[in-house]
Amino acid sequence: GENVEQHPSTLSVQEGDSAVIKCTYSDSASNYFPWYKQELGKGPQLIIDIRSNVGEKKDQRIAVTLNKTAKHFSLHITETQPEDSAVYFCAATFSNEKLTFGTGTRLTIIP
Amino acid sequence: EPEVTQTPSHQVTQMGQEVILRCVPISNHLYFYWYRQILGQKVEFLVSFYNNEISEKSEIFDDQFSVERPDGSNFTLKIRSTKLEDSAMYFCASSGRQGKKETQYFGPGTRLLVL
Repeated sequence: GENVEQHPSTLSVQEGDSAVIKCTYSDSASNYFPWYKQELGKGPQLIIDIRSNVGEKKDQRIAVTLNKTAKHFSLHITETQPEDSAVYFCAATFSNEKLTFGTGTRLTIIP
Repeated sequence: EPEVTQTPSHQVTQMGQEVILRCVPISNHLYFYWYRQILGQKVEFLVSFYNNEISEKSEIFDDQFSVERPDGSNFTLKIRSTKLEDSAMYFCASSGRQGKKETQYFGPGTRLLVL
C-alpha cells in the first residue's frame, strides 16, 4: 500500500547546528516529494519539494536529497534558528495527485 | 503571494448536526483537496476534486461527506450528520498552476469540534 515512514518523531538541536529528518516510502512509482512545515495552529506550509528526476535540491539553508533506489528522502536544515522550531512533515504522491504524509517530526531549536 | 483561505477558523457543533466548511482556493488553480488532521496526528487525505467532480476519495470520505464548488471561487466540504470522531482540523488545498499540478498549497484550516 501507500505508506510514508518518518524519523525521528522528535528532534532537538542547538541553535546553529544542523537538523536532518528522514523519510522512506513504499511505492517505487512515487515521483513527487514535498516537505511541509507546520507551526502551532496553522496549516502546513510548503518549504521545499523534489521530483524523482532530481537527486538533490537546495534553497538557502534547506536542502532535500532523494535516493530512489533505497526509496528514501531527507530534509537537511543547516545553521538552525529558533524560528525553525515547528513540526515538519514529509509527503509523497503515488499514482495520483493525493499526498500521503509521514507522521511528522517535532523539531525544537535550543537557543 | 496568493493564499488559500478557509472559513470559519473554528466551528463547534452538536453531534448529528450538519456543518459546511468553506475554502477559497488560489485563483487559477484547477485541483482542489480536503485533508484532515486529528489532534497530534498526521495529515490525512479525504478527497480530491477536478473539473467539477471528485477524482479520488479515501475510506474516510463516506456518504456523510460531500464536496461542492458552487461558484467560480468557493470549494466546500459538507458533513451531513457529524460524529464525535469528526473532531479535527480540516485543511483545504489547491494546486495546478503553470503545469505544477503536484505542488499543493494549504489553507490555515478549520478546527471542528463535535460535542
